[in-house]
Amino acid sequence: QKEVEQDPGPLSVPEGAIVSLNCTYSNSAFQYFMWYRQYSRKGPELLMYTYSSGNKEDGRFTAQVDKSSKYISLFIRDSQPSDSATYLCAMRPNDYKLSFGAGTTVTVRA
Amino acid sequence: DGGITQSPKYLFRKEGQNVTLSCEQNLNHDAMYWYRQDPGQGLRLIYYSQIVNDFQKGDIAEGYSVSREKKESFPLTVTSAQKNPTAFYLCASNPGQGGFQFFGPGTRLTVL
Repeated sequence: QKEVEQDPGPLSVPEGAIVSLNCTYSNSAFQYFMWYRQYSRKGPELLMYTYSSGNKEDGRFTAQVDKSSKYISLFIRDSQPSDSATYLCAMRPNDYKLSFGAGTTVTVRA
Repeated sequence: DGGITQSPKYLFRKEGQNVTLSCEQNLNHDAMYWYRQDPGQGLRLIYYSQIVNDFQKGDIAEGYSVSREKKESFPLTVTSAQKNPTAFYLCASNPGQGGFQFFGPGTRLTVL
């Protein structure tokens, strides 16, 4: 069993829809939770991060962490065609090493 | 501009050849990383270095080698011992414990 499992997708949604992305994990030592966005043939860019449980909002993006369920989510409101990308969840304990999900590819149709 | 650069963007290799991928950062970050990305498998850690002249194996180090002679540089050599080297290679850096990893643009290696 992988340490981090991510819904594989792909997801295709119409412009303006809410996109919901999810990951589950097995390592209870994870403390930092991140979402990266990766456009085709580019390096990932850090989108949002959360420490421990709770919600964090940044514009159209909301990240949620539920440590009791070992479950994290990313919501994109009012999705735009420019949001079409692969989204990677990542997490780590209180050290350097990140564990990544396999990524979910999202297409927002105009 | 501060950032991470990787070169070349595309690289083609014949079987049996060693190739070296370049990674340079001007962010003054202490830690640097190499990942391999294959379709449907996410990012897998090859090697990482937390300080100059020191590095550790990641999850899939076999067939790869690295050096860290300067803080800003962390080259990766893909040797002929790597049985399936065709992949997208990503370099990342991190300012230190508690910070977050930032990625370079990647190098796509294809073995012919």
